[in-house]
Amino acid sequence: GQNIDQPTEMTATEGAIVQINCTYQTSGFNGLFWYQQHAGEAPTFLSYNVLDGLEEKGRFSSFLSRSKGYSYLLLKELQMKDSASYLCAACLRGSYIPTFGRGTSLIVHP
Amino acid sequence: EAGVTQFPSHSVIEKGQTVTLRCDPISGHDNLYWYRRVMGKEIKFLLHFVKESKQDESGMPNNRFLAERTGGTYSTLKVQPAELEDSGVYFCASSKGDLREQYFGPGTRLTVT
Repeated sequence: GQNIDQPTEMTATEGAIVQINCTYQTSGFNGLFWYQQHAGEAPTFLSYNVLDGLEEKGRFSSFLSRSKGYSYLLLKELQMKDSASYLCAACLRGSYIPTFGRGTSLIVHP
Repeated sequence: EAGVTQFPSHSVIEKGQTVTLRCDPISGHDNLYWYRRVMGKEIKFLLHFVKESKQDESGMPNNRFLAERTGGTYSTLKVQPAELEDSGVYFCASSKGDLREQYFGPGTRLTVT
């Protein structure tokens, strides 16, 4: 099965760096998504990792280790607007249907 | 380009009633997905359409839920009769050829009392 674990809540200071971890247990694995969701809004796609390593997109980077069943989302130069829920989701081999974690609520304060 | 839209944004109904949720995907997106998030839990997959055909409906909880996509454009999700545990936020998403890039709608918050 797939158990997606991520912290429930994190706080950070504006301008700082924060790392949101996600671990997954799955019998088959295709890739891993990260989504951002502001309260009351649609989840928006941030990244999809298939291969091991770090992928950088501006202030956001996502890392994957397939052997360890581990991923993280790194947010640099935090801004107040980055306060949101960050959803980790894993896909089984042969499917792009994501299985979501419960999300990490990130609070950025001045 | 308009995004995925969902109607209504909120719905409050009594147990035993029927509710129909609507999703309009991004124009040209053949793939349409329904998801649900119940209070305090994770978003869960319900089903996947490719055009008007159901590709995967493994996530549909029971036969009180009926999804349709006649004509391969918009989709409806009917809950009949609604139960208390059906309360939650129902998301729709669509994608074109690349199944990884799913665009989500803002969701419909359903409250069954």
